[in-house]
Amino acid sequence: DAGVIQSPRHEVTEMGQEVTLRCKPISGHNSLFWYRQTMMRGLELLIYFNNNVPIDDSGMPEDRFSAKMPNASFSTLKIQPSEPRDSAVYFCASSSASKETQYFGPGTRLLVL
Amino acid sequence: SQQGEEDPQALSIQEGENATMNCSYKTSINNLQWYRQNSGRGLVHLILIRSNEREKHSGRLRVTLDTSKKSSSLLITASRAADTASYFCAPYSGAGSYQLTFGKGTKLSVIP
Repeated sequence: DAGVIQSPRHEVTEMGQEVTLRCKPISGHNSLFWYRQTMMRGLELLIYFNNNVPIDDSGMPEDRFSAKMPNASFSTLKIQPSEPRDSAVYFCASSSASKETQYFGPGTRLLVL
Repeated sequence: SQQGEEDPQALSIQEGENATMNCSYKTSINNLQWYRQNSGRGLVHLILIRSNEREKHSGRLRVTLDTSKKSSSLLITASRAADTASYFCAPYSGAGSYQLTFGKGTKLSVIP
């Protein structure tokens, strides 16, 4: 199995631009998680999906952030408009209904100038 | 979900020594998981210990769980430079949600 795939791996953009991060979970996993990691705040859960349905989005910082999971093999996290304080590493993780462990992707390093 | 708190925040040891990290949590759990994060990478699951287990081994890793004290420890024996990473604990309460909340972690440096 290829593991959780994220793209792009690095993104540099200017303030005000729209940013879209993509994630392909491990095949057969039915839960998907988006995290953000910064030095100041550590690893924060932004939102998670179960069977493609958003279950808890209380970690989404503002309305500028949105996430979708149109099918079991794809999810996006969108930031519009982006701001410098959104600079962070964004991780996607997936897990199976039968196991509690999460499998993380390599992350997307976002820099907003 | 609940967050585990790792202690110490940072630990520096010589290669070959043992490293011990601790985790405390607040409410009852179904299981507790330990993850490792190498610099610039995603978290990697190391080991899961269930609430009815007291000790678990995996290679050079030994995890203990004391539910009466709501604490767990991770021991890495005969450490190697490659063990340099941040280590996170994640207590899992169950109740149909697979949500985990990670703390700040313990940053382990193993000096060759």
